[in-house]
Amino acid sequence: EIVMTQSPATLSVSPGERATLSCRASQSVSSNLAWYQQKPGQAPRLLIHGASTRVTGIPARFSGSGSGTEFTLSISSLQSEDFAVYYCQQYNSWPPITFGQGTRLEIK
Amino acid sequence: QVQLQESGPGLVKPSETLSLSCTVSGDSISSNIYYWGWIRQPPGKGLEWIGSVYYVGSTYYNPSLRSRVTISIDTSKNLFSLKLSSVTAADTAAYYCARQARSNPWFDPWGQGALVTVAS
Repeated sequence: EIVMTQSPATLSVSPGERATLSCRASQSVSSNLAWYQQKPGQAPRLLIHGASTRVTGIPARFSGSGSGTEFTLSISSLQSEDFAVYYCQQYNSWPPITFGQGTRLEIK
Repeated sequence: QVQLQESGPGLVKPSETLSLSCTVSGDSISSNIYYWGWIRQPPGKGLEWIGSVYYVGSTYYNPSLRSRVTISIDTSKNLFSLKLSSVTAADTAAYYCARQARSNPWFDPWGQGALVTVAS
C-alpha cells in the first residue's frame, strides 16, 4: 500500500498571501496524483489531477507541481473561500487508492 | 451534468449490516469508461477509500475492509450499492459515492454524503 503523508497538518496564512502545501508518497506514483478541497459540511471537490492539471472552473491561483514522491499544491493570493482542508490522493497503484491525512488551511 | 445521491438508514445497530445506495443522474452507470466508488470519512478525520465497481460488476476493495464489504451495481436502476457487515462504532462516518474515470481513477464528482451512525 502506498502511504501518502501531507505536511503541515495545519497551515496558518493571511488572506492575500501564498500558501504551499506538501504531499509525499512512500513510493513513486509518477504524476498520478490528485488534490481535493473540502469545506465544512461539504463533500470534497476535485481541484487538480495528473499532479498539475487544474479542473475546469478552478481558479488559476491554484497550481500543482511535482512527480514521483514529492508534490506541492500552491495557492497564490489566498481568498476567504480558500480556507478549507486539502487532501492529496494517489491513483498510480491500486487497490488500494490512498489519501493523505489532510492539511487544514486556516486564516492567520 | 452528472449528479450522485446517497441514500439509506442514518442509524445502524452494532453487529448489523450498513446498506447504502448511490443513485446516478445525468450519466449512464453502464458507461464503459467509469468506475463508481465509495469513500468514507469518520467525524473530524480523513478520507478512506472503501471500494469501487465497474458496470459489468467487477469490484475492487480496500484490503482493510474487504472481508466485510460488498459493492454491487444495478444498471436497470442506474445505481450502485454498498453493504458493510458486522459494523461497530468505528464505522460511524460520512459515506460518499463518487465517479472515477477508468483511465485515471480520481474521484469527480462526489455525492453530498450520507452520515451513518453505528449505535444501539
